Amino acid sequence: KNQVEQSPQSLIILEGKNCTLQCNYTVSPFSNLRWYKQDTGRGPVSLTIMTFSENTKSNGRYTATLDADTKQSSLHITASQLSDSASYICVVRTAGKSTFGDGTTLTVKP
Amino acid sequence: ETGVTQSPTHLIKTRGQQVTLRCSSQSGHNTVSWYQQALGQGPQFIFQYYREEENGRGNFPPRFSGLQFPNYSSELNVNALELDDSALYLCASSTGGGRYNEKLFFGSGTQLSVL
Repeated sequence: KNQVEQSPQSLIILEGKNCTLQCNYTVSPFSNLRWYKQDTGRGPVSLTIMTFSENTKSNGRYTATLDADTKQSSLHITASQLSDSASYICVVRTAGKSTFGDGTTLTVKP
Repeated sequence: ETGVTQSPTHLIKTRGQQVTLRCSSQSGHNTVSWYQQALGQGPQFIFQYYREEENGRGNFPPRFSGLQFPNYSSELNVNALELDDSALYLCASSTGGGRYNEKLFFGSGTQLSVL
């Protein structure tokens, strides 16, 4: 069982709609949690980084939340655009090591 | 663009062969980490180099080895290739030496196919 579980595995939404992606983790101890966007055939690009003391972090239309007590995080995308179609990966960092989730594949349709 | 370049972009090898993948880190970055990403999965940490020394390793066998040069570019070598080694290999550069809050900048990867 992966120590970083993401849901849903894939998601299709219409352009302009909002969506929320989930990340549950069991990795311990916890240093920080990151969300990355990975376009097809490209490397991941960092969206947000949160430490255990941060509850929310925004980057434009992307807002990440973190509940370190329940070990859950979410990434909310508002007013989706076609360019948001990508894989979104949750990464938990601990003791110099990063554990990646398998990602949620988001498809935004016109 | 992250300033991290990987070569080649695609590679086809046969089982049992050896392969070398290359990564040029972003200017000023002294740390390079390597990841294996199978289709439909997240990246798996292979190892990390900081100032030419390996300072972290994931659960990969010894036939996965690496090198970092004085200019902080890096190589990933895989010996005795197996079919399961087929994957996208990503490198990421940073300045933190593995510090918890360092930001990683990824290259676009090398797609390796083992036949």
